[in-house]
Amino acid sequence: KNQVEQSPQSLIILEGKNCTLQCNYTVSPFSNLRWYKQDTGRGPVSLTIMTFSENTKSNGRYTATLDADTKQSSLHITASQLSDSASYICVVSSNSGYALNFGKGTSLLVTP
Amino acid sequence: ETGVTQTPRHLVMGMTNKKSLKCEQHLGHNAMYWYKQSAKKPLELMFVYNFKEQTENNSVPSRFSPECPNSSHLFLHLHTLQPEDSALYLCASSQDGTGGEKLFFGSGTQLSVL
Repeated sequence: KNQVEQSPQSLIILEGKNCTLQCNYTVSPFSNLRWYKQDTGRGPVSLTIMTFSENTKSNGRYTATLDADTKQSSLHITASQLSDSASYICVVSSNSGYALNFGKGTSLLVTP
Repeated sequence: ETGVTQTPRHLVMGMTNKKSLKCEQHLGHNAMYWYKQSAKKPLELMFVYNFKEQTENNSVPSRFSPECPNSSHLFLHLHTLQPEDSALYLCASSQDGTGGEKLFFGSGTQLSVL
């Protein structure tokens, strides 16, 4: 069964600090992995996409990594801001069929 | 603004009511989706429409009835819902409905069934 596990479930950090969110998956065959950010009261918004050949990709203060061998991805947030408070969802797609596989998300709270 | 608009934002209904959720996308996409988001659970795919044709029905109870009159509009008709149906209902669109595409989500309808 294709699964996506995210950790931690929730995280509280001080403004300006860095943090790393984890995503482990068992989806096979692998097509791509996306990280979405979901603000409270909003729908998810795509932050970045990782394909099989990519190890690292940055989008501003967000850096995603992918290790296709160990089936792990991380999202690193640098110099956190209050606006980073949100749920971060890892979504893995397979080459087989349509279905997307969603993680439960990590809830991040950045405090002053 | 993601280009996907959902109404209403909030809805409270009794178990005997009939209501409809509306979604409109202004992105020129060909695929539209309904997802259910419950607390502490991953997003659950409910329905997929590709070029106005339903291509996925993820074993959703018949009390949820989708309608896609054109590639820009999507409705979810609700009737005789149960309290466990209370959740955030998200509409999304994508370019072609192929697996792994980037999804553009609306802000959702927060549904409470009393």
